[in-house]
Amino acid sequence: EPEVTQTPSHQVTQMGQEVILRCVPISNHLYFYWYRQILGQKVEFLVSFYNNEISEKSEIFDDQFSVERPDGSNFTLKIRSTKLEDSAMYFCASSTTGGKGYTFGSGTRLTVV
Amino acid sequence: AQSVTQLGSHVSVSEGALVLLRCNYSSSVPPYLFWYVQYPNQGLQLLLKYTTGATLVKGINGFEAEFKKSETSFHLTKPSAHMSDAAEYFCAVSLRSNDYTLSFGAGTTVTVRA
Repeated sequence: EPEVTQTPSHQVTQMGQEVILRCVPISNHLYFYWYRQILGQKVEFLVSFYNNEISEKSEIFDDQFSVERPDGSNFTLKIRSTKLEDSAMYFCASSTTGGKGYTFGSGTRLTVV
Repeated sequence: AQSVTQLGSHVSVSEGALVLLRCNYSSSVPPYLFWYVQYPNQGLQLLLKYTTGATLVKGINGFEAEFKKSETSFHLTKPSAHMSDAAEYFCAVSLRSNDYTLSFGAGTTVTVRA
């Protein structure tokens, strides 16, 4: 069964550093998403991406965040200057048109120290 | 805007007993509805979803859920709990009119007693 692949599975970074979280969505999917889950809290939507541009973003997704699909296969989330409160599990997801086949990756646990 | 409410942050059941997890939603348009399961230190696994058609939806691992529009509910059930059902369960809703962004409930942690 097709999977959404996320790398790395764990990342530790110092406060103020830039991090890039990587995702490989399912190949025929057209919609791409990032969500995050702070430890002990619910999963929160960050951003959706379609047709090479952001289609929707939440209040969490401020100027410190950016997304990119650099080569037609990868989908990345960049945090420019990490803060302690950015520590969370970050999930990538993808879907086809109509929201079908919505699939989540296994997540990247980001720890900011 | 849509929102999801899961009643009960923790549910404890005996092995073999009924599992019932409650989910209510608010939405201005008919939504898509999902249940996800998350095992410790793992990602989100889709249990089942309702999009259109039959309101009783069967999913993996013996779970099912029924969409009740009049009650704006999508409760998850399993007739007989197994130890392996211990996990956190999230209800989620997606509007059909946007790009299918999911709004999640706060989650319900299920523990299964031997």
